[in-house]
Amino acid sequence: DARVTQTPRHKVTEMGQEVTMRCQPILGHNTVFWYRQTMMQGLELLAYFRNRAPLDDSGMPKDRFSAEMPDATLATLKIQPSEPRDSAVYFCASGFGTRQFFGPGTRLTVL
Amino acid sequence: QQQVKQSPQSLIVQKGGISIINCAYENTAFDYFPWYQQFPGKGPALLIAIRPDVSEKKEGRFTISFNKSAKQFSLHIMDSQPGDSATYFCAASKGSNYQLIWGAGTKLIIKP
Repeated sequence: DARVTQTPRHKVTEMGQEVTMRCQPILGHNTVFWYRQTMMQGLELLAYFRNRAPLDDSGMPKDRFSAEMPDATLATLKIQPSEPRDSAVYFCASGFGTRQFFGPGTRLTVL
Repeated sequence: QQQVKQSPQSLIVQKGGISIINCAYENTAFDYFPWYQQFPGKGPALLIAIRPDVSEKKEGRFTISFNKSAKQFSLHIMDSQPGDSATYFCAASKGSNYQLIWGAGTKLIIKP
């Protein structure tokens, strides 16, 4: 049963530290999405890759966030420096066509 | 014009009742309308989806009703069960973009 995997599942860090979240999309999927979920803002799209190329990262604060796909099996989302307002659950999703398959998420807490 | 508006924000339904969640959109170029279900601590998962060439799609107890002229679509859960308690998101996309425009979500609680 193919699944999207995300690491770490939980991360607690102090303000100013670098945070890296990793995602392994489902093999064969050509689209990857990074979302942030908070109680106040719901699901926000941060970045969207197709065939490893970034198509849309307009939802991402450019000064501190970066997203990459170094290869087809790995997508990364980095925050540097992290701030308390970045505390949220970050989801990675992969897909082929219209359907998106979500990972279990990384719960980030920035103190 | 890119927004998808979802209501209500929260909903409490008695076991066995019908749960109804509504969404409205503006962009007539949207051609794919999915509903995702999210349980606490999990990522959203596709529940059911519809394209605008049909007015209704049913899968088990879950039905999407689609009104193209009104630019609205809704999710109906028949015989609602406590296990249906979750957050439901509607969404929309157009063409081969595959980027989903999400509604704000509805927290559904089914009372036993």
